[in-house]
Amino acid sequence: GQNIDQPTEMTATEGAIVQINCTYQTSGFNGLFWYQQHAGEAPTFLSYNVLDGLEEKGRFSSFLSRSKGYSYLLLKELQMKDSASYLCAGTDSNYQLIWGAGTKLIIKP
Amino acid sequence: ETGVTQTPRHLVMGMTNKKSLKCEQHLGHNAMYWYKQSAKKPLELMFVYSLEERVENNSVPSRFSPECPNSSHLFLHLHTLQPEDSALYLCASSQTDGSGANVLTFGAGSRLTVL
Repeated sequence: GQNIDQPTEMTATEGAIVQINCTYQTSGFNGLFWYQQHAGEAPTFLSYNVLDGLEEKGRFSSFLSRSKGYSYLLLKELQMKDSASYLCAGTDSNYQLIWGAGTKLIIKP
Repeated sequence: ETGVTQTPRHLVMGMTNKKSLKCEQHLGHNAMYWYKQSAKKPLELMFVYSLEERVENNSVPSRFSPECPNSSHLFLHLHTLQPEDSALYLCASSQTDGSGANVLTFGAGSRLTVL
């Protein structure tokens, strides 16, 4: 079957670093998305990884290991505004999106 | 503002009511989607209109009926809903050429409560 797993909730401290993990099982695999969703707002695109390795975009980085079926989103220098849900989604062989249930990240002062 | 606008933002309806959700995108995209988002569950794709074709998730009950009159507008018609249909309904759009992964642009959603 097709499945995306990510932790339900994480807590971190302002100014710190947090890593949100995502593991996937899809029938074929083409890439992995990360979206951010603040409460009551639209999910917004953060990153799309196709190749193995780390891609950095400012304070946010996304990592993919195709051989391990694993990805993570790394958030540095956490700010209160980073409190949100982070959605992981893999694309299968037909480029259909398989979504995780999201990780709610709580940032404490 | 993402360029995808959904109305109404909140809707409360009884099980015998008929209502519609509306979505409009100002991005010039050629594909539009309806997703259902329930607490602590993955996004569930309900319907896609892409390249003038409609694709639907066969598990979506017939009490949900989509309509896409043009590439900028998408509706979800609701009738005889059940309390378990209470959820956030997200509209999204993307630019697709029929191959490859597409970045979705979402609206803020319509929060539906069925009494």
